[in-house]
Amino acid sequence: EAQVTQNPRYLITVTGKKLTVTCSQNMNHEYMSWYRQDPGLGLRQIYYSMNVEVTDKGDVPEGYKVSRKEKRNFPLILESPSPNQTSLYFCASSLASGVEQYFGPGTRLTVT
Amino acid sequence: GNSVTQMEGPVTLSEEAFLTINCTYTATGYPSLFWYVQYPGEGLQLLLKATKADDKGSNKGFEATYRKETTSFHLEKGSVQVSDSAVYFCALRSAGGTSYGKLTFGQGTILTVHP
Repeated sequence: EAQVTQNPRYLITVTGKKLTVTCSQNMNHEYMSWYRQDPGLGLRQIYYSMNVEVTDKGDVPEGYKVSRKEKRNFPLILESPSPNQTSLYFCASSLASGVEQYFGPGTRLTVT
Repeated sequence: GNSVTQMEGPVTLSEEAFLTINCTYTATGYPSLFWYVQYPGEGLQLLLKATKADDKGSNKGFEATYRKETTSFHLEKGSVQVSDSAVYFCALRSAGGTSYGKLTFGQGTILTVHP
């Protein structure tokens, strides 16, 4: 089944403790992206990747890092999480940057 | 920069009522327009899309027409069902430049349909 998977689905952590949210797709998509969803703000792009080893900042990249060493994986790294990063995070992928994006199920992160 | 504005929610309707969710946008060039739906506890799913002016996207009884003259892409359904209860997002995809491929979302509209 074609899908985008994220892990974990739920995470509660404390300020400053490094964490990684994994994202994997099995559709051989070149383009991958991370969004955060906050009430009243919709989804905002954090980082995106056009292909392996090619990443760039979205609208809200501060406090986040990403890497794209393999085509299928696009982990989101929070080196020192803060409470304002409490949010619902979505990974998405598409065959190229200009076509329909497929979304993962989301990761709800709480930073205390 | 690009932006998408959706009507304020939440929207509460009775089953079989007519639905309209307004969406207007600001963008350079000729963006593609989308409606995504998010059911409780799930990720976003593409509901419909339109890639050029006057195109009508449709799916599952929902429709939206790309109106360049009014920069709008309003979502409509003639008769809603309880199963349509979800959050609806209007989005645009940049047509070119350094933001090519990026999706810009509206704030989302919560729809609740009662029996």
